[in-house]
Amino acid sequence: EAAVTQSPRSKVAVTGGKVTLSCHQTNNHDYMYWYRQDTGHGLRLIHYSYVADSTEKGDIPDGYKASRPSQENFSLILELASLSQTAVYFCASSPDRVNSDYTFGSGTRLLVI
Amino acid sequence: GEQVEQRPPHLSVREGDSAVITCTYTDPNSYYFFWYKQEPGASLQLLMKVFSSTEINEGQGFTVLLNKKDKRLSLNLTAAHPGDSAAYFCAVRHTGYQNFYFGKGTSLTVIP
Repeated sequence: EAAVTQSPRSKVAVTGGKVTLSCHQTNNHDYMYWYRQDTGHGLRLIHYSYVADSTEKGDIPDGYKASRPSQENFSLILELASLSQTAVYFCASSPDRVNSDYTFGSGTRLLVI
Repeated sequence: GEQVEQRPPHLSVREGDSAVITCTYTDPNSYYFFWYKQEPGASLQLLMKVFSSTEINEGQGFTVLLNKKDKRLSLNLTAAHPGDSAAYFCAVRHTGYQNFYFGKGTSLTVIP
């Protein structure tokens, strides 16, 4: 079954530390996305990628980097974690068709202390 | 850029009553519309996708209406039951553009 798998499911990080969130998809989709979810803000796009070895900035990229080493894998990197980055992070994938929906991962709960 | 407003942010209804969630958008290039359901602590699951050419879309226990003139998308849950309690998000996509614009979500509580 096609799926998007995120790891870890939850993480506690120290302010100023480095955090890497990982996403793996078996859907053979071209597009992958990272969103963060905060209460009252819905989902906001951080970074996305439509091909391996290339990433694009979304609406709120500051403080985040992304890496797409292969079609299946897409990582979100917080080089210097801050308290404001406490949120739930969702990875998603979609094929290269504008009428297609997203397949979401189960989310990563990140708490920065 | 596109602005997607979703109302209401919170909604509480009794079992058997209807529940209506509405999204308005601003960009006339919006062509594909999606509703997602998110149960507590879970991921987002696709409820329905709607194309601009179809104004009325029916699912199991709900109807999605698209009013292109008013740029309004609505989700109407008929005869809500406790299993419908969740957060609901609309998403909008333009022709020729891959990314979604999400509404901020509606938290629905169905009281038994």
